[in-house]
Amino acid sequence: LAKTTQPISMDSYEGQEVNITCSHNNIATNDYITWYQQFPSQGPRFIIQGYKTKVTNEVASLFIPADRKSSTLSLPRVSLSDTAVYYCLVVLNTGFQKLVFGTGTRLLVSP
Amino acid sequence: DVKVTQSSRYLVKRTGEKVFLECVQDMDHENMFWYRQDPGLGLRLIYFSYDVKMKEKGDIPEGYSVSREKKERFSLILESASTNQTSMYLCASSPGGDRGETQYFGPGTRLLVL
Repeated sequence: LAKTTQPISMDSYEGQEVNITCSHNNIATNDYITWYQQFPSQGPRFIIQGYKTKVTNEVASLFIPADRKSSTLSLPRVSLSDTAVYYCLVVLNTGFQKLVFGTGTRLLVSP
Repeated sequence: DVKVTQSSRYLVKRTGEKVFLECVQDMDHENMFWYRQDPGLGLRLIYFSYDVKMKEKGDIPEGYSVSREKKERFSLILESASTNQTSMYLCASSPGGDRGETQYFGPGTRLLVL
């Protein structure tokens, strides 16, 4: 069954680097991998997007291996305000191409 | 900035009522989506639309319908609300040219069906 899988939760401390991985074993060939951040009582917010190798912006980095069967969101030096749920979004081949959100990872950053 | 607005932040309805959830986006996006979000279940796609008057079923369309008469507006309709439709409902839009990877979300409507 084609699906996307993320760790349910992660804990970190302020100032540490956090890496969250999404596994997507049946990803479509030509579509982007996108990551979102969601705070309580808000809609998800776009963080970063990439197709392959590495992408970096002012907020995060995204690492995608050559086979594209997983992707890793890297948050450098997290702060308390990074406490949120993080979702990956990919297009999977399920007989037809289907847009699928990951299961979400709840990140808790402590002082 | 892209802005996606939803008609209500909180809504309380009775079982059997017809419920309309409205979503409007101001960036001329072709694609629009409706999700529901429940604890432990993540984001589940109800319906989506890639163009005016066009709609496609998502993963959980049962008990819902949609309407897209204008490009900027996508409405979710609960024909006869039931208690198991109590949830957070999220609307999103994305530009044409991709499948919807770059979505902009509204703030959500928290619906309680009594």
